[in-house]
Parts: sequence; structure tokens; C-alpha cells
Amino acid sequence: SQTIHQWPATLVQPVGSPLSLECTVEGTSNPNLYWYRQAAGRGLQLLFYSVGIGQISSEVPQNLSASRPQDRQFILSSKKLLLSDSGFYLCAWTASSTVHYEQYFGPGTRLTVT
Amino acid sequence: LAKTTQPISMDSYEGQEVNITCSHNNIATNDYITWYQQFPSQGPRFIIQGYKTKVTNEVASLFIPADRKSSTLSLPRVSLSDTAVYYCLVGDSSNSGGYQKVTFGTGTKLQVIP
Repeated sequence: SQTIHQWPATLVQPVGSPLSLECTVEGTSNPNLYWYRQAAGRGLQLLFYSVGIGQISSEVPQNLSASRPQDRQFILSSKKLLLSDSGFYLCAWTASSTVHYEQYFGPGTRLTVT
Repeated sequence: LAKTTQPISMDSYEGQEVNITCSHNNIATNDYITWYQQFPSQGPRFIIQGYKTKVTNEVASLFIPADRKSSTLSLPRVSLSDTAVYYCLVGDSSNSGGYQKVTFGTGTKLQVIP
């Protein structure tokens, strides 16, 4: 069966510090991968999505970036965090063969920028 | 792009049937309608998906009229544990290359009252 992992689960970082969040998927090949952010009490904001290694599409221009160095690994990064980067970061995947948009989400990372 | 509109919040007493309606006037021919459930501090969880008419599973029913411009998620006999945010999504295949970009709205916050 497929499993999606995210780490760390929680993170407290000062403004201006770098960020690296990792997401890995097990049990599937060539998944579509997504990064979302959810601010407190808000809906999900799609940040990045990827249909393959090295293929990243950005939805929101900001100080975040994403990379996909391996088929089942998706990394969210920042060189300098802003207070507004605080939120709940979720990674998700879909099977590349489906057109039915059934996404599977990871447990999330709670980021607090102080 | 097919956008969705759903109520911001709803209250219901335990044991009642809850119907949450989503409008998607610009749904495309190949788009599917998908509903997710999200509990606090967790990632969204797929509930049900459909294309037309009615779909039922062990969790919910999804009613889609012939024009597909709206859909209704029906939760039978809700309990306190059904308190969550429910998202209606319509498949977005507007990008070339078969990208599966899925857009979440703000969802409907369902509060089940004892």
C-alpha cells in the first residue's frame, strides 16, 4: 500500500532562517506531488506541484521554492523565512495514471516563524 | 478553470442528515467532482467522487444533477466526530501535458451539535 511521509512534524524557526521540509511517498511510482499551505483557520493554498523529477510548477510567487530530486521525494525550501510563512504545510500525491483527482495527504508540518 | 462555491459554515444536531451543496457553474466535460473531509491538524481525506447522477459509499452520498453545475454531499445521521471542514473540488485539467492541478476552496465548516 502507498504511504506518504512528512518531516518534521513541527518546526519553530526565527525570521530570516532557512527552511527545508521533506516529503516522501512509498508504494507507488511516478506520482504527481503537491505542496499546500494552510494558514490558521483558512483553506488550502496550492504552492507547488510536480509531475516528474525536476519538473516543478509554482502557483504562488514568493520566497519559497520546491525541488524533486527523486521520483518519490519532494522538498520545500526557503532561504529566508518570513513571519507570513507560518502555517500548516501539507504534501500530497496522486497517481499519474488517474484523471480523477483523488489526492492522498501526508500528516503535515506545523511551521511557526517567530 | 472550474471554480466552486460552497457555504462557509453549517450547524447540525447529532443524528440528522446533513446536505452540503457546492456550485460549479463552469465545470468542464471531463471534470469530476470530489469531496474531502479535514479534521483539525490533519491533512484532508478523500470522501467521495462522482461524475453524474448519484454515488454512494459507506461514508456519504453524492448527488449530481444532469447539468452538473452543482453537487450535494449528503452525510446520513451525523455524529460529533463528523465535525470537520468539507471541501468540494472540481478537476482542473486546463494545463497542457496532462497536469493534475487540483484547487481547494475554503470549504464548509460543519459543526455537529450534541
